[in-house]
This record gives sequence, C-alpha cells and structure tokens, in this order.
Amino acid sequence: GAVVSQHPSRVICKSGTSVKIECRSLDFQATTMFWYRQFPKQSLMLMATSNEGSKATYEQGVEKDKFLINHASLTLSTLTVTSAHPEDSSFYICSARDAGREGRKQFFGPGTRLTVL
Amino acid sequence: TQLLEQSPQFLSIQEGENLTVYCNSSSVFSSLQWYRQEPGEGPVLLVTVVTGGEVKKLKRLTFQFGDARKDSSLHITAAQPGDTGLYLCAGEGGSQGNLIFGKGTKLSVKP
Repeated sequence: GAVVSQHPSRVICKSGTSVKIECRSLDFQATTMFWYRQFPKQSLMLMATSNEGSKATYEQGVEKDKFLINHASLTLSTLTVTSAHPEDSSFYICSARDAGREGRKQFFGPGTRLTVL
Repeated sequence: TQLLEQSPQFLSIQEGENLTVYCNSSSVFSSLQWYRQEPGEGPVLLVTVVTGGEVKKLKRLTFQFGDARKDSSLHITAAQPGDTGLYLCAGEGGSQGNLIFGKGTKLSVKP
C-alpha cells in the first residue's frame, strides 16, 4: 500500500517560534494533500487542502497566515506553524491522495505531536 | 454543512462480547470510510464502502452502508483486547473531496 511519512514525529518549542512539519508520499505522487489537527480526545479536523503547484484552500476559522502550507512537489507538502502559542499544541496529521493509482483513497501519515511551551 | 454523528463516543466491554458503532448523517456521501487509530499514530484505513446497502466483512468486523448512503455501521463480533482503539468513520464530501470525520468511538476491550 501507499506510504506517507511525517517529520518530525514530535516537536517541542518555545512560544513565539515557528515550526515546520513535513509530509511526504514515499511511493506515489500526491496531487492533493490534506492537513488535519486533532486535539486530545477529539476527532480529526480538516485545516486545509493543498494541491500541487497551487495555493492551499483553508477551512473556515483556520488562519492562513499562521499556518503556512507549501506543496511545491508531488511528493512533499509542508505545514509551518508561525509564531506558535500553547493553544497550537496538538497532533497534526497529513494525508495524501493519488487520484490516478488508488482512486480517491487518502493515505494518512503517522502524525506530528507539537507541544508549545 | 455535512456532519457525521458517531455513537457511542465511548464503549467499554469484556472480551468476547459483540458491539456495534453507528455513523449517521442527514447528508448523502459518495463513499464512507472506517478507520482505526492508535494513540500517537495516524488513522489506518479499515474499509471503504461505496454502494448503498453494501456489506463488507473483515474477519470479525462487518461494515454496512445504508441504502440511502447517509449512514453506516461497524459491528465487531467476539471482541478481543487487540480491538481496543479509536474507531473513526469518515465521509467523502466537501468541494475538494476531503474527508469529514465523525467524533470517533473509543473502544476498550477488557480481558
């Protein structure tokens, strides 16, 4: 099956710093990648959808200037949390979709645990 | 706005018992997926149902998609401690075909 990786798996940072999270599709080309956020004991909430080579589409209530998404290649999307604050502490999960090979299935990464002190 | 109501939110049962998790919506979905998520990990796809009335079996797990494609259920027979985890249903919707997740069912199976 298709494999999606995320790096780092855990990150702890000080308030006010920026953190970059990478999402890679390892054995397929991802025309679309999704970024989700999951708070403790809650479900996944979609933050944004990114298509390779174009600007990301953000969900209502998600600040595009705070959560910068770049999808410059078919195998890599990055999420940068700028000026992180403790309330940004969460589990960030990406997923990737290859419409060509696997239909409309989404393959999820293992997640990144962000803790902002 | 498409919403998926998942129930129950928590379920604690003894090994060997049967259980059913429900996922309901007032909206029609082109497909519905069930995931299982372990703590600190991403969700892992269990099954995708596409056709109204479809039933799929995965060992002791039986998944059903409602005739109107608005609801789905997951039934586990003779639950085992290894079935413990967070079960999530997700419907494909939205303008870009993104997934809309239910709130999840946290299942605990005690030996």
